[in-house]
Amino acid sequence: GAGVSQSPRYKVAKRGQDVALRCDPISGHVSLFWYQQALGQGPEFLTYFQNEAQLDKSGLPSDRFFAERPEGSVSTLKIQRTQQEDSAVYLCASSLEGGGEQYFGPGTRLTVT
Amino acid sequence: LAKTTQPISMDSYEGQEVNITCSHNNIATNDYITWYQQFPSQGPRFIIQGYKTKVTNEVASLFIPADRKSSTLSLPRVSLSDTAVYYCLVGDRGGGYNKLIFGAGTRLAVHP
Repeated sequence: GAGVSQSPRYKVAKRGQDVALRCDPISGHVSLFWYQQALGQGPEFLTYFQNEAQLDKSGLPSDRFFAERPEGSVSTLKIQRTQQEDSAVYLCASSLEGGGEQYFGPGTRLTVT
Repeated sequence: LAKTTQPISMDSYEGQEVNITCSHNNIATNDYITWYQQFPSQGPRFIIQGYKTKVTNEVASLFIPADRKSSTLSLPRVSLSDTAVYYCLVGDRGGGYNKLIFGAGTRLAVHP
């Protein structure tokens, strides 16, 4: 079956631009996670959704980062006024339920110039 | 969540068995040990999970001593396609959700 998909796969933004990154989780998966992975590092947790409810956003690095999942399926991570330090791979993962195995998408590589 | 320590990198050759050891001295009673694999330009992929003793699946084995302060991921007869970064994670599997905490991982290079 289809796995987690993310789009775009690559995004180049000029500093100060807003970007929106999309995640399509596996159908029927209740839980959705966003992670940020800097070059050469492991992924770092950003935020967690259970259906449409954002239950944990403790990992979002600043108020420029905003995530939503309005209908409990597709999620969008938005970054306003991008900065160079936002350059990273943004990974989305979904699981059938919160404590279950997480299935990751291929990520979106964001480069801020 | 318990912190983990694992080697930054390892080298091996095709056909050899590779053992990657992870230290987690502060592991809690409810914590499970999970290993993920990540190829370039892909998201991490679950390999194996265990609580104590030994777990084996079609991909790998996980050895956990009685004190659970370390664990060893064993990959039998590696091939070039096993070249990847391997992450050891510990955390509570139960409850509401798993906020996975990754370290820097171990970069395994398999040579012909």
